[in-house]
Amino acid sequence: GAGVSQSPRYKVAKRGQDVALRCDPISGHVSLFWYQQALGQGPEFLTYFQNEAQLDKSGLPSDRFFAERPEGSVSTLKIQRTQQEDSAVYLCASSLHLREQYFGPGTRLTVT
Amino acid sequence: EDQVTQSPEALRLQEGESSSLNCSYTVSGLRGLFWYRQDPGKGPEFLFTLYSAGEEKEKERLKATLTKKESFLHITAPKPEDSATYLCAVQDGSEKLVFGKGTKLTVNP
Repeated sequence: GAGVSQSPRYKVAKRGQDVALRCDPISGHVSLFWYQQALGQGPEFLTYFQNEAQLDKSGLPSDRFFAERPEGSVSTLKIQRTQQEDSAVYLCASSLHLREQYFGPGTRLTVT
Repeated sequence: EDQVTQSPEALRLQEGESSSLNCSYTVSGLRGLFWYRQDPGKGPEFLFTLYSAGEEKEKERLKATLTKKESFLHITAPKPEDSATYLCAVQDGSEKLVFGKGTKLTVNP
């Protein structure tokens, strides 16, 4: 069956630009997560949705980061006024409630 | 604060040479310990979930075990296609996963 999909797969942004990253979870998965993975590191938690409700955003590094999931399915992670330190792979994962998380391929963001 | 430490950072094996990867953790109330495999340029691929000390799970050449302080991923007679980064993560009372930095495994033919 279809897994988690993310788009775009690669994004190059100039410092100061806004970017939007999209995640399509596995159909029927109520929980959706965003993680940030720096080179050579494990993924780090950013935020979590259960259906359309954002239940935990404790990992968002600054108020330039914003995530939404308005209809409880597709989610968008937006980064405003991008900085070089935002360069990383952004991973989306989905799961049934309290079960294992399935990850998408990620979006590699490079800020120049 | 939950913490996960994986060792070694990198491991080189010859094909057929069995070994183990270690994941040490501190967590306030373990709900689950997860193992993932990650290939370059791809997202983590789910392998196992372990819930309580003493539990073991197997899949092909991989076997994961869990104690109260650590988990091991045993690789028996590895093949070159087992080369990847193996990630360990813990889940406490919240839904989020806390990951280690991973062990990069290379299996030479």
